[in-house]
Amino acid sequence: QVQLQESGPGLVKPSETLSLTCTVSGGSISSYYWSWIRQPPGKGLEWIGYIYFSGSTNYNPSLKSRVTISVDTSKNQFSLKLSSVTAADTAVYYCARDGWATLGAHAFDVWGQGTMVTVSS
Amino acid sequence: QSALTQPASVSGSPGQSITISCTGTSSDVGSYNLVSWYQQHPGKAPKLMIYEVSKRPSGVSNRCSGSKSGNTASLTISGLQAEDEADYYCCSYAGTSTYVVFGGGTKLTVL
Repeated sequence: QVQLQESGPGLVKPSETLSLTCTVSGGSISSYYWSWIRQPPGKGLEWIGYIYFSGSTNYNPSLKSRVTISVDTSKNQFSLKLSSVTAADTAVYYCARDGWATLGAHAFDVWGQGTMVTVSS
Repeated sequence: QSALTQPASVSGSPGQSITISCTGTSSDVGSYNLVSWYQQHPGKAPKLMIYEVSKRPSGVSNRCSGSKSGNTASLTISGLQAEDEADYYCCSYAGTSTYVVFGGGTKLTVL
């Protein structure tokens, strides 16, 4: 079955850019929407943005000015860049698949294990 | 502050039933039958339990059910078991621009 794995630095300095990659295995990245979702310690989930396999994107309005999501279909990967980070961006970052193509509904049916990113000098 | 409102905590004894509410607005829950629910155990990734208000993915227990009335969706878990103790999040599609909004989460304690 499809599995997702996040990778990237666990520590980022304030004002720098957070960069993460999600590798899709066991299936193709095609025909799906792929999202980044984060969860600050002890808090709830926040959708960051998605990319369609074709490259079209949509971002959370509250983060839009700092977020870029890209896709590399040849590597079955998609990536997140979040610029000008502060301590408020410290969170577990998850990549997830929108199951629209299989469920017929917008719901996140496959999740990565998550990766903790701390913003600190 | 989360876009969807959930109670911070609910509890029940083994074998009992509990219901978690999720209140949104006419721009999200009230407009689309695209509410989903996620279970999250400590230190783990969320797991899809319910989608499209009341549908269960393959492998999810039929003790879980979902419903919606107006701007409020609900998740009911019957025959509570110790393994049900977890955090639960609701999520609603909110249109092409906003895409999705989450609830703040509810901690379920099995007494």
